[in-house]
Amino acid sequence: SQTIHQWPATLVQPVGSPLSLECTVEGTSNPNLYWYRQAAGRGLQLLFYSVGIGQISSEVPQNLSASRPQDRQFILSSKKLLLSDSGFYLCAWSVRITEAFFGQGTRLTVV
Amino acid sequence: GQNIDQPTEMTATEGAIVQINCTYQTSGFNGLFWYQQHAGEAPTFLSYNVLDGLEEKGRFSSFLSRSKGYSYLLLKELQMKDSASYLCAVTIRYGGSQGNLIFGKGTKLSVKP
Repeated sequence: SQTIHQWPATLVQPVGSPLSLECTVEGTSNPNLYWYRQAAGRGLQLLFYSVGIGQISSEVPQNLSASRPQDRQFILSSKKLLLSDSGFYLCAWSVRITEAFFGQGTRLTVV
Repeated sequence: GQNIDQPTEMTATEGAIVQINCTYQTSGFNGLFWYQQHAGEAPTFLSYNVLDGLEEKGRFSSFLSRSKGYSYLLLKELQMKDSASYLCAVTIRYGGSQGNLIFGKGTKLSVKP
């Protein structure tokens, strides 16, 4: 069966520090991969999506970047965090258009 | 642009039925998802509709009208554990890429005894 792993679960980082969140999927090949952010009291905002290795599309201009070095690995990064980067970050995957599943999320607090 | 609207909050009584509506205006519409999200947790998949009509799955049913840009999630025999946010999301096709999910802001449902 397919599983998705996302870590860490919680993270507290100072303003200006770098960020690296990792997401891996098991049990499937060539998934579509997504990074979402959910700010307090707001909906899920699509940040990046990837349809294959090295293929990244960005939905909104921001302080973040994404990379997909392997088929089932998706990384969210920042060189210098801002206070506004705080939020709940969710990785998701899909293979068929009829399904999309989320990792457990990373709660990031920038202080 | 893409726009998805849902009520912000709803309250219902344990054992009752509640209907959560979602309207959307999107280009390149493929289908519509409903997710349940408990506070502090990741969303979990409830249903996916691509054709008009009602899909029933236990206590939960989801309806879609593509011509009206409208969907609803129906929850029957409400239980306290159903207190959660319910997220409506549409799948969009960009340049042949399938499956991009665009979410509404969610409806926070509170179930009272």
